[in-house]
Amino acid sequence: QKEVEQNSGPLSVPEGAIASLNCTYSDRVSQSFFWYRQYSGKSPELIMSIYSNGDKEDGRFTAQLNKASQYVSLLIRDSQPSDSATYLCAFPGSNYQLIWGAGTKLIIKP
Amino acid sequence: ETGVTQTPRHLVMGMTNKKSLKCEQHLGHNAMYWYKQSAKKPLELMFVYSLEERVENNSVPSRFSPECPNSSHLFLHLHTLQPEDSALYLCASSQGAERGYTFGSGTRLTVV
Repeated sequence: QKEVEQNSGPLSVPEGAIASLNCTYSDRVSQSFFWYRQYSGKSPELIMSIYSNGDKEDGRFTAQLNKASQYVSLLIRDSQPSDSATYLCAFPGSNYQLIWGAGTKLIIKP
Repeated sequence: ETGVTQTPRHLVMGMTNKKSLKCEQHLGHNAMYWYKQSAKKPLELMFVYSLEERVENNSVPSRFSPECPNSSHLFLHLHTLQPEDSALYLCASSQGAERGYTFGSGTRLTVV
């Protein structure tokens, strides 16, 4: 059974520091991985997708994928209080579905 | 309208009521989904439709009844719900899971 593991947190990071969120997955053949951000009471929003080994940068966000280790991470530089949210990682399963991690709650302290 | 639109945003219903949640996607996607998210809990997949055919039904009680009349519209019909069904109900669409989902804003349902 395909699975995703995330530390549920909360992860507390000072404002301006780098927040590092991690995810491990069970499926060796998966080709795409996603990071979603979910504010409390709101719907998840796709913030990063990554399809190949290495780093992908988008503004203050960097996704890192290591397929050999089955590990994907999200780095947030210059963390802001508005980054406080739950971050979900996911990868494709079967039947059009994404397999979801339980999410890591991130708290940025001013 | 762009993206995925869900209505209503909030719904309060009694246990004997019948109501429907509506979802519409304007992205040309070929799959649509219903998820339930209870307070401080992970996403729970309820139903998956691909090209208007149901491809997954995740052991959801029969008091939840989905309908997908075309590839742009998805409904969730609700009847005789229980207080524990109170949750955020999320609709999403995709052009295959390999490209990720786009979520609607959700319907906050309260059963009294």
